[in-house]
Amino acid sequence: KAGVTQTPRYLIKTRGQQVTLSCSPISGHRSVSWYQQTPGQGLQFLFEYFSETQRNKGNFPGRFSGRQFSNSRSEMNVSTLELGDSALYLCASSREGSPANYGYTFGSGTRLTVV
Amino acid sequence: SQQGEEDPQALSIQEGENATMNCSYKTSINNLQWYRQNSGRGLVHLILIRSNEREKHSGRLRVTLDTSKKSSSLLITASRAADTASYFCATVATQGAQKLVFGQGTRLTINP
Repeated sequence: KAGVTQTPRYLIKTRGQQVTLSCSPISGHRSVSWYQQTPGQGLQFLFEYFSETQRNKGNFPGRFSGRQFSNSRSEMNVSTLELGDSALYLCASSREGSPANYGYTFGSGTRLTVV
Repeated sequence: SQQGEEDPQALSIQEGENATMNCSYKTSINNLQWYRQNSGRGLVHLILIRSNEREKHSGRLRVTLDTSKKSSSLLITASRAADTASYFCATVATQGAQKLVFGQGTRLTINP
């Protein structure tokens, strides 16, 4: 079956712009989590959605938001982009209601560069 | 914030040798997971070990967990060039939000 699909793979944006990233989980997976990966901070948890509801949220400013649709696809949005938002954004899905206890399947990520 | 701390940060060995990576963490955990990441790509789930388990095997991988020392190790036996990647441990705490908290990773290079 198809894996976790993230689009686009690469993105270049200008400071102050906003961006929307998309994630399609594995069919049947209802939990979607988002992570930001940077060389300095490593992998940081952004948020998790389950059945269209945000269930957990990391310590990121309100400029970072997300949502999940009824088909479990998820989007994350970053408004008023800053240079420090340049990162690899990873989406992960899980089949279970408690995904942290069963392991995640990650997408290949979206590489966002803010100039 | 990072819960897991991997050691060493980088490891370079010859093909065929065994590679051992260590992970230490700070809080009580439900489970600990190991992931592999090839350069600039997504993470691949390798193995999950629960807090009541001490050792787990999967192919050439062996993971141990010592909850009294809050540490885990990942052993890759008979390494191959294709094992070159970054390896991350990630923990799920018993308290608070059920989410994976990753360490900074170990960069493993297998030399042919």
